[in-house]
Amino acid sequence: QSVLTQPPSVSGAPGQTVTISCTGSDSNIGAGFDVHWYQQLPGTAPKVLIYRDNNRPSGVPDRFSGSKSGTSASLAITGLQAEDEADYYCQCYDNSLSAWVFGGGTKLAVL
Amino acid sequence: QVQLVESGGGLVKSGGSLRLSCAASGFTFSDYYMSWIRQAPGKGLEWLSYVSGSGSHTNYADSVKGRFSISRDNAKNSLYLQMNSLRAEDTAVYYCARADVVLGLNWYFDLWGRGTLVTVSS
Repeated sequence: QSVLTQPPSVSGAPGQTVTISCTGSDSNIGAGFDVHWYQQLPGTAPKVLIYRDNNRPSGVPDRFSGSKSGTSASLAITGLQAEDEADYYCQCYDNSLSAWVFGGGTKLAVL
Repeated sequence: QVQLVESGGGLVKSGGSLRLSCAASGFTFSDYYMSWIRQAPGKGLEWLSYVSGSGSHTNYADSVKGRFSISRDNAKNSLYLQMNSLRAEDTAVYYCARADVVLGLNWYFDLWGRGTLVTVSS
């Protein structure tokens, strides 16, 4: 059971928009800690996609965006493309655990 | 080329030990905090440990505290994870990752290696 809760899977057709939620608590997201998002393509290491809630590293398309409100955060992907098929993880600091925690991951299928 | 390359994984019996290494290149290794993060087969990511740039500060997740030890050799641009008293549930791909620690505890991991697989047989 992950400290940050994500849906196991989401799907969408090419060109559509999908959102992936990340629900935490008052000891992590709700405490104001930044949320970061990672993309893990099949058979590869995770790569940071969004950092500090809504910032994209250079090279990440602006189709990817992050937001946060209360004890939850979301990753939105617009204009879905086949190469977006991957696992997505949110990450935050938890001050009850004194540890950096990840969501359980969400598998995105592009239909 | 900025990269991290892990090594040292393999098959070990329950109760045994293993030492993982991570070779860094393309950046000033000593300037960065480094972490180990693992991923059990078909599962999510779990942060395990960090070490400060100088090596003087370390911290561990409760799941490995007292069994695993992180260290670094800045002269060799290398990070290590000594794993003792291994259990079947430690079976995972182990990644070394560079941490961005600019803003308090709002760390994220901006560079990852490709990982090394550790399998603990019971």
